[in-house]
Amino acid sequence: KAGVTQTPRYLIKTRGQQVTLSCSPISGHRSVSWYQQTPGQGLQFLFEYFSETQRNKGNFPGRFSGRQFSNSRSEMNVSTLELGDSALYLCASSLLGQGNTDTQYFGPGTRLTVL
Amino acid sequence: AQTVTQSQPEMSVQEAETVTLSCTYDTSESNYYLFWYKQPPSRQMILVIRQEAYKQQNATENRFSVNFQKAAKSFSLKISDSQLGDTAMYFCAYQGGKLIFGQGTELSVKP
Repeated sequence: KAGVTQTPRYLIKTRGQQVTLSCSPISGHRSVSWYQQTPGQGLQFLFEYFSETQRNKGNFPGRFSGRQFSNSRSEMNVSTLELGDSALYLCASSLLGQGNTDTQYFGPGTRLTVL
Repeated sequence: AQTVTQSQPEMSVQEAETVTLSCTYDTSESNYYLFWYKQPPSRQMILVIRQEAYKQQNATENRFSVNFQKAAKSFSLKISDSQLGDTAMYFCAYQGGKLIFGQGTELSVKP
């Protein structure tokens, strides 16, 4: 099976812009979770989608949003970008999701740089 | 709230030797899973090993094994016969609902 894919791999934006990141899960996986990784804060959970519904949300401002499509692909959107949003954004997929203590498999990440 | 602590920010080991990475966690739950993930310089997060809390037997995957002490809430990773390709950041993670990561241990394997 193909692994989790994320596009684009690298992105450079300026403050105030918005950005959309995409994640395609492993075939058959219905849950997609998003994480932000920074040197200072480490890995932080953003949100989880399962069957097109947001099931869990981390402690991030409303500028961070997401959605999931009927084919389980997910997108994450960040509006009004700030310098502090520069990070590696990781997507992970699993069969049934975090509440079922499923193993999560990660994509290669999208490196976002905000100038 | 659940927390995961990795007290060793950096470690190094000689090739072919054995190294142990430490992890402690805090939870009031009885049913959960624990993971070790590896993140090499490519930044791809790779699952190394997984342990179900209800299983007393320690998980093993080839050169990787864990020492799971449920009462002490300890979950260490032992890497035997270390190889240069093991050089990476290693994250301990707890999953009872959300997946919660420790801060990571940067492991360098030296030739």
